[in-house]
This record gives sequence, C-alpha cells and structure tokens, in this order.
Amino acid sequence: QVQLQESGPGLVRPSETLSLTCTVAGYSISTAYYWGWIRKPPGKGLEWIASIYYRGTTYYSPSLRSRVTISLDTSKNQFSLEMSSVTAADTAVYYCARDVDSRLDIWGQGTMVTVSP
Amino acid sequence: QSVLTQPPSASGTPGQRITISCSGGSSNIGSHTVNWYQQLPGTAPKLLIYSNNQRPSGVPDRFSGSKSGTSVSLAISGLQSADEADYYCSTWDDSLDGWVFGGGTKLTVL
Repeated sequence: QVQLQESGPGLVRPSETLSLTCTVAGYSISTAYYWGWIRKPPGKGLEWIASIYYRGTTYYSPSLRSRVTISLDTSKNQFSLEMSSVTAADTAVYYCARDVDSRLDIWGQGTMVTVSP
Repeated sequence: QSVLTQPPSASGTPGQRITISCSGGSSNIGSHTVNWYQQLPGTAPKLLIYSNNQRPSGVPDRFSGSKSGTSVSLAISGLQSADEADYYCSTWDDSLDGWVFGGGTKLTVL
C-alpha cells in the first residue's frame, strides 16, 4: 500500500524559506509517475503548487514559480518543496500527492505551516 | 479567483439526490478529463471521481460524474450525513501548464 507523509517546520518567519519533504512508502519514486505539492490556505480552496516527473521534469504554478523549487531524492525515496520569501499568505496546510494517469490518486495527510514573526 | 467555477455551497436531505456543477474553459475542461475530490472535515482530499465519470475502487456507486463541453457535474444520490464534506473539481490547464481546481463546494446534509 502506497503512503505519503509530509514533514517540515510548523512555523516559519516571514521572508524566510519554507522547506517541506514528502516521504513515500510502498513505491519507488524513481520508477514512474509525477509527484506534486498542493496547499489549502485557511478558509480557501485547494491550490496546486508544483509537480515533478520521476525523470526530473518540473512544472510550477505560474503564480508561485519565482519562489518555488521542487526536487527528488531517490536515494531516500523522498521529494521536497522549497518556497522562498514567505509571507502570511503562504500559511496553509501543505499536501503532497502522487499524480498517476492525470489524477492525484494518493495524498499525504497534510502538514500545517504558519508564517508568523 | 479560481480557474474553475463551482457553487460555494449545496445542501440536501438524507436520501435525496443532489448535483454540484463545475464550469471552465477550452484550455482546461474543454481539453482534458476532470477529477473530483472529496475532503471530509479535518482530513486530506480523497480522489472521488476520475476521468470525468470513473470511480476508484471503494467509492460507492451513489457518486457519479458527467461532462458536457466545458462543464462537468458531480451527482450524489441517496444522500447520507457522512457525505458532508467539501467537493473540488480539478483538471489540467494547457494555458497555465498545471493543475487547476474549483473553489470548492461545501455540502451540507440537513
């Protein structure tokens, strides 16, 4: 059974860089598929952030592209997200998900990130 | 402002059939299949419908999806209190080169 688990700091200071990791169990991320990050700000809907193909091709939300980097670490079976220059508007629950055949079929439980001084 | 447009809320009584609409454009719904996600309170989103009208294993056949042009609909029949959740439509957008979501519809079972 494939499982995804997000990890990272729950609190980040404004203007700093947010770093999150998604650990995948039950499937090797170097085998196939896309792997992505999605967030849900409080009181708002879902927002796609970025995706990465198992071979390394990346896709970014146009509105976040300048501040975001997604990467793979196949040795640890993890993929990561870095978001620079965060503000309060980046406060959200961040989810990682597997993208298979044009659908996000497996999601992590999510991790809350608060941007505050 | 979401690329895909959903009503913010919907409601029904137990046993009733309800539908949730989602509209987009030629670069998204008009060109790609659509997925629906269900987010129960305090949990992660779950894939409910994929490829417009396909149900993943374990999703009851009370849930169904349809597509016409640049709009899609999610239907829930035999409404249950356990169906109270937020529902999101989603698809790929060629103009943005990424996933887009509707703003979400909060379903209340009265």
